[in-house]
Amino acid sequence: DTEVTQTPKHLVMGMTNKKSLKCEQHMGHRAMYWYKQKAKKPPELMFVYSYEKLSINESVPSRFSPECPNSSLLNLHLHALQPEDSALYLCASSQGEVLGETQYFGPGTRLLVL
Amino acid sequence: AQKITQTQPGMFVQEKEAVTLDCTYDTSDPSYGLFWYKQPSSGEMIFLIYQGSYDQQNATEGRYSLNFQKARKSANLVISASQLGDSAMYFCAMRWIYNQGGKLIFGQGTELSVKP
Repeated sequence: DTEVTQTPKHLVMGMTNKKSLKCEQHMGHRAMYWYKQKAKKPPELMFVYSYEKLSINESVPSRFSPECPNSSLLNLHLHALQPEDSALYLCASSQGEVLGETQYFGPGTRLLVL
Repeated sequence: AQKITQTQPGMFVQEKEAVTLDCTYDTSDPSYGLFWYKQPSSGEMIFLIYQGSYDQQNATEGRYSLNFQKARKSANLVISASQLGDSAMYFCAMRWIYNQGGKLIFGQGTELSVKP
């Protein structure tokens, strides 16, 4: 089973709202990732968690706040977003950070900021 | 700096024919891995195939094979006997041994359309 789940599938929010995206995997993977993807573009890495600790923050604005409550869960808290933050947000996980380990992606959350 | 290039923004193929999607990469690291992902319009990135830089043989997974030419720094994806369900965006991606956190970088993608 290589399933990563993400909720919600779609989210519409105003610029003053606070919302959270959720990602879950039960494959025993110890590395989890958030990516942002604009239409017709490749995914861009935002954050990496390894063994529940933040190991990479790709200079993401503070209005995005990641959280890894346990080894199976990854959240992305959103606050005071801008319309340009509208995108597909993809979560992924891998066994670890070793070279050949595949990242498995969830179906994504389509976010629209009004 | 590491870089992945996919030069074909869009391609068409007739159903049941084979198609090759191009990918070239640039890295000075001796150890790296190359991945291909498929992204249908639904959005999910589906892992297809992996090739390690030290692998002696080209990777194959069902109808997918990777034409790995290390000296040319190319890792083209070959899809045999195309099906209508193969219509999607395809991304080539790379990781290298010295990058922190197993960072994956992607090419710009190729949009494949399979015609009946």
